[in-house]
Amino acid sequence: AQKVTQAQTEISVVEKEDVTLDCVYETRDTTYYLFWYKQPPSGELVFLIRRNSFDEQNEISGRYSWNFQKSTSSFNFTITASQVVDSAVYFCALSEARQAGTALIFGKGTTLSVSS
Amino acid sequence: DSGVTQTPKHLITATGQRVTLRCSPRSGDLSVYWYQQSLDQGLQFLIQYYNGEERAKGNILERFSAQQFPDLHSELNLSSLELGDSALYFCASSVAGDRISYNEQFFGPGTRLTVL
Repeated sequence: AQKVTQAQTEISVVEKEDVTLDCVYETRDTTYYLFWYKQPPSGELVFLIRRNSFDEQNEISGRYSWNFQKSTSSFNFTITASQVVDSAVYFCALSEARQAGTALIFGKGTTLSVSS
Repeated sequence: DSGVTQTPKHLITATGQRVTLRCSPRSGDLSVYWYQQSLDQGLQFLIQYYNGEERAKGNILERFSAQQFPDLHSELNLSSLELGDSALYFCASSVAGDRISYNEQFFGPGTRLTVL
C-alpha cells in the first residue's frame, strides 16, 4: 500500500537556522512521483517540487534543497537560513504512475514555525 | 495565484443540507481533482476528472458526487451533510491526468465548509 509518513508534527526554529523536514514513503511501484507542497497561514497549497523515481539527483533552489534517497525511501527537504516567511505547514506527497489517475497521497504535514 | 479558482470561499450550512462547490481549472488544464482537508483525516483525495470523464476515485463518500462540464469547470456536490463533513475542500488541476504525461497539480484557494 502507498503511504507517506512525516514523523515531525511540529518544528520550531529561530531565523537563520537550517531546518530539515523528513519524509518517508512506501510504494510497491517502481515508477512514482514525489512532491513537496507548502501551506502558509493563508491556507492555499503551493507547489514546491516534483521528483520522479528515476531521478535521484539532489536539487537546490535558492535556500531550498531536496535529498531523494531510494535506498531509504526518503525525500527530505532542507531550508537553509530560515526566515519568518517560511512559517507554514509543509506536505510531502506521492503519486504512483501505475494508477489510472494521478491522485496525490499526502503525509500529515509538518508545521514549521520560524521566529525572529 | 495558481490560476485555479474556487467558489464560494466560505460556506456555512446546516446538517442534512446539500451544497455545491465550484472549480475552474487553469487555462489549458484538462484534469480536475478534488481533495478534502480536515483536522482528523488530513489531506485526502476524493475524485479526479479528465476531460469530462471520471478518471480515479479516492475516499469519496456516496453522499458526495462530482462532475466536469464541457467547459472543463467542475462541481462537487455534497448532500445529507453531517458535522464531520466540515472541512477545507480543495480543487486542483493539471495539464494531463495519466501516468504517461504526468504534470504537477496546482491547487485553488479552497472552499471552507462549516456544517452546524
